[in-house]
Amino acid sequence: GQNIDQPTEMTATEGAIVQINCTYQTSGFNGLFWYQQHAGEAPTFLSYNVLDGLEEKGRFSSFLSRSKGYSYLLLKELQMKDSASYLCAVRGTGANNLFFGTGTRLTVIP
Amino acid sequence: EPEVTQTPSHQVTQMGQEVILRCVPISNHLYFYWYRQILGQKVEFLVSFYNNEISEKSEIFDDQFSVERPDGSNFTLKIRSTKLEDSAMYFCASISGDNTGELFFGEGSRLTVL
Repeated sequence: GQNIDQPTEMTATEGAIVQINCTYQTSGFNGLFWYQQHAGEAPTFLSYNVLDGLEEKGRFSSFLSRSKGYSYLLLKELQMKDSASYLCAVRGTGANNLFFGTGTRLTVIP
Repeated sequence: EPEVTQTPSHQVTQMGQEVILRCVPISNHLYFYWYRQILGQKVEFLVSFYNNEISEKSEIFDDQFSVERPDGSNFTLKIRSTKLEDSAMYFCASISGDNTGELFFGEGSRLTVL
């Protein structure tokens, strides 16, 4: 089975840094993805980790520890447009399928 | 930039009616998926499709659901007899097939069952 946990909601201030955590317990593991989803829209890809460590991509970074079943997404220099849900997803070992967590709704305040 | 396209963007139907949701995946992609998202809930996997057959399906994907790739470009999801609880956003997605591939999502089809 798949169990992916992330906080339901977070609030952060414009210009600040926020870290969104994700823990997972899955029957197979072939990579961890972070997606951004604005309300009523499709998820859009942010980052992908398959090996332990930090992947940096502009204002966004993602970290993975496979032994701990843990990842985080780090957003720097927050902007109002970063207000969205952030979805942690684990790819299983079959059919390149992704299993999603419930998402973390981030609200950026002035 | 290539994209996954879905039609219709919104469909309203009566309970018990059949619904077909259509998707055109990115042309050189090999794996195709349907996900659904009930309002306010998480994105849930329904089914994956590879090499013209279902490769994996979830427990949500019961006998009421079917998928088809009727030609070289379209990928459809059929719900035979819709129920109220089928109301959701349905996302089609595709992936190129390499191990680092991200899943590309379409804009979704919102299904409302009355």
